[in-house]
Amino acid sequence: EAQVTQNPRYLITVTGKKLTVTCSQNMNHEYMSWYRQDPGLGLRQIYYSMNVEVTDKGDVPEGYKVSRKEKRNFPLILESPSPNQTSLYFCASSPGVGWITDTQYFGPGTRLTVL
Amino acid sequence: SQQGEEDPQALSIQEGENATMNCSYKTSINNLQWYRQNSGRGLVHLILIRSNEREKHSGRLRVTLDTSKKSSSLLITASRAADTASYFCATDAVTGGFKTIFGAGTRLFVKA
Repeated sequence: EAQVTQNPRYLITVTGKKLTVTCSQNMNHEYMSWYRQDPGLGLRQIYYSMNVEVTDKGDVPEGYKVSRKEKRNFPLILESPSPNQTSLYFCASSPGVGWITDTQYFGPGTRLTVL
Repeated sequence: SQQGEEDPQALSIQEGENATMNCSYKTSINNLQWYRQNSGRGLVHLILIRSNEREKHSGRLRVTLDTSKKSSSLLITASRAADTASYFCATDAVTGGFKTIFGAGTRLFVKA
């Protein structure tokens, strides 16, 4: 089944404790992206990747890191989480051909709470 | 920075009625997409309309795009209780890399 998976689905942690949220897709998509969703603000893009070893900042990259060492995986790293990073996080992937973005397929979300 | 802005923020209708949601954006785009989200779950793609298209249909969905006004509308005809969800528009920007920008969404409630 074609899908985007995220782990963990729920995470409660404390300020300053490094964490990684994994994202994997099995559709051989070029484009992958991370979003956070907060009430009343819709989804805001954190980072995206056009291909292996190619990443770029979205609108809210501060406090996050990403890497794209393999096509299928795009982990989101919070080196020193803070309470304002408490949010619902979504990973997405897209065929993303050429210069035009395309339909994005979303993972189920990771609800993160930073105490 | 928010590119897409949906209107209204919330909409409550009776089953069988039509629901119309609007999206406005600020910069030139390559395409505009509409997504649906059931409470706290992942987004599901509904329809994509390219900048050179004016109207697109998919089942009970009709999307229009007016690039001169930088706006789009999503019409759901003959709504059902199962259409209750949040609806988001998303745009890419012609300039600014390959970012995707979502609006804040319209919450639709369809009463049975």
